[in-house]
Amino acid sequence: GESVGLHLPTLSVQEGDNSIINCAYSNSASDYFIWYKQESGKGPQFIIDIRSNMDKRQGQRVTVLLNKTVKHLSLQIAATQPGDSAVYFCAESQGGSEKLVFGKGTKLTVNP
Amino acid sequence: EPEVTQTPSHQVTQMGQEVILRCVPISNHLYFYWYRQILGQKVEFLVSFYNNEISEKSEIFDDQFSVERPDGSNFTLKIRSTKLEDSAMYFCASSEQGSNWSPLHFGNGTRLTVT
Repeated sequence: GESVGLHLPTLSVQEGDNSIINCAYSNSASDYFIWYKQESGKGPQFIIDIRSNMDKRQGQRVTVLLNKTVKHLSLQIAATQPGDSAVYFCAESQGGSEKLVFGKGTKLTVNP
Repeated sequence: EPEVTQTPSHQVTQMGQEVILRCVPISNHLYFYWYRQILGQKVEFLVSFYNNEISEKSEIFDDQFSVERPDGSNFTLKIRSTKLEDSAMYFCASSEQGSNWSPLHFGNGTRLTVT
């Protein structure tokens, strides 16, 4: 069946450190992947996306890596700040479907 | 930056009552969605809407649910007869080119509490 899951439910880092949040997906037909950040009481906020024809994409302080061989997605946050504290979700999409499948989420806590 | 807005932020209703959750998607977006999130769980797809009709729906979206775009700006989710298990955060989202081509932008949700 389809599933998008996260290896670690919680991650605690020190301010200034780099953070890596991982995600495994099982649907090999998925071809578009998105990372979302959700702060308490808010909706998912788009961070960065990547298509399956790429293996790396960089944004401002964030990098997404895609390994299709092992069906693994990661989000790297450089110089993590207290404002990065939130729950991070990966989501996958498959051509021909409008449904975005979300993972469980990883709660990132940044300690000052 | 344009955003998706949802009203109300919190809705309390009694079991069996009808509720309408409202959303104003981003103005140049053509694809509209409803998702829900039960407390502490994943965000789940309910329905997608394009060109004035439902394009896809999940098994959750049964006959008690309906969506409508009554005018050029609003997008609504109606639950005809609410059940206790409908208590959740309901998120509206919109996308410029569809979920396989452009990211969904979400509103801040309506917390529905069914008592």
